[in-house]
Amino acid sequence: ETGVTQTPRHLVMGMTNKKSLKCEQHLGHNAMYWYKQSAKKPLELMFVYNFKEQTENNSVPSRFSPECPNSSHLFLHLHTLQPEDSALYLCASSPDRVIAVTNSPLHFGNGTRLTVT
Amino acid sequence: AQSVTQLGSHVSVSEGALVLLRCNYSSSVPPYLFWYVQYPNQGLQLLLKYTTGATLVKGINGFEAEFKKSETSFHLTKPSAHMSDAAEYFCAVSDYFNKFYFGSGTKLNVKP
Repeated sequence: ETGVTQTPRHLVMGMTNKKSLKCEQHLGHNAMYWYKQSAKKPLELMFVYNFKEQTENNSVPSRFSPECPNSSHLFLHLHTLQPEDSALYLCASSPDRVIAVTNSPLHFGNGTRLTVT
Repeated sequence: AQSVTQLGSHVSVSEGALVLLRCNYSSSVPPYLFWYVQYPNQGLQLLLKYTTGATLVKGINGFEAEFKKSETSFHLTKPSAHMSDAAEYFCAVSDYFNKFYFGSGTKLNVKP
């Protein structure tokens, strides 16, 4: 149990499908993150939410749409994806995004392995 | 912006041998430093983190890291590798605004 739970663990979708990834954290944190991990590429930060408000969007294509209804839940809505979007999508949380709590680490979920066909 | 460099995308050691994974960061002030481990089909798990004042940091599974300010390095070591240590290891830095920067990762292979 990592404290951050992601569902589903695996997802295969066609380019015309619409699907959503879910992340839930049980750590009482206020900041949540979406990362993309592709083979042979560095970890890419996609979105950051702090107290339910989006604070970062790192030039992510609009076919990825995040939603953060509360500090414990984070969604990533997917539509009309491309094969190059196939990757491991990782959710993470931390106590706060703005005020740096002394060396507070990110806590990661186990990810959703997405395959776009 | 900060950057993190991990020297060697793949490291191979024999079981029982010393593990040394290198990490250098660019920063004008001491940042917060972390090592994460990722096993296949899992997320990143915190291995250890740097605490101000202690240059040698002990983590889980027998790993240690030494903070060397003069060299801007935070190398990860383990005296004796075990087969279960085979995984990918990521060095990370966070700044005072809690923004994280990750290295590209080093895959550790442990040979029997």
